[in-house]
Amino acid sequence: AQSVAQPEDQVNVAEGNPLTVKCTYSVSGNPYLFWYVQYPNRGLQFLLKYITGDNLVKGSYGFEAEFNKSQTSFHLKKPSALVSDSALYFCAVRGEFSGGYNKLIFGAGTRLAVHP
Amino acid sequence: GAGVSQSPSNKVTEKGKDVELRCDPISGHTALYWYRQRLGQGLEFLIYFQGNSAPDKSGLPSDRFSAERTGESVSTLTIQRTQQEDSAVYLCASSDRGGLSYNSPLHFGNGTRLTVT
Repeated sequence: AQSVAQPEDQVNVAEGNPLTVKCTYSVSGNPYLFWYVQYPNRGLQFLLKYITGDNLVKGSYGFEAEFNKSQTSFHLKKPSALVSDSALYFCAVRGEFSGGYNKLIFGAGTRLAVHP
Repeated sequence: GAGVSQSPSNKVTEKGKDVELRCDPISGHTALYWYRQRLGQGLEFLIYFQGNSAPDKSGLPSDRFSAERTGESVSTLTIQRTQQEDSAVYLCASSDRGGLSYNSPLHFGNGTRLTVT
């Protein structure tokens, strides 16, 4: 069975400081990992994904995420937070294609609040 | 180009009534998902369509919920005999095949906010 956990309901960070939003996962086989962001009163937007290759992936708006296979984690990071980054962030995972069609499962979400 | 379109954007219904929610995916997208998002909570998987294969219905919470998709186009999510706990935003998303690994990002609609009174 696939699962994804976001252990923090909320992350608070001062503008200009680095931010990390945590995600751990459990899947059969190799994982496909995604981060999505939901701004207030707007739909979910894709940020970045890890499929294979370099463990550090870069995405939209200066965000990046590091895939760590041994720790089954895919934490979202940004070197310098902006107030406009305040939003709800979702980690998502699906298992490797294995003859079936594995659905994409989302974590519960982490609310990021960046303070001026 | 056009994104994923959902209608209605808002629906208020009385407990016990049936509702039908519609999703128009991006043209050419073979995968279509329905998720439910209760207020302040995460995305709860409901159902997944992939091309002409049998859908993955494992997330539907009860037999009051059903969904259909015609080919690789429009999908409708039907909730029969609505209950107050059905109140939520229902999100539809689609993606293309993305090669053999089906790893293309999802494109989300703006959702239908359902309120059951």
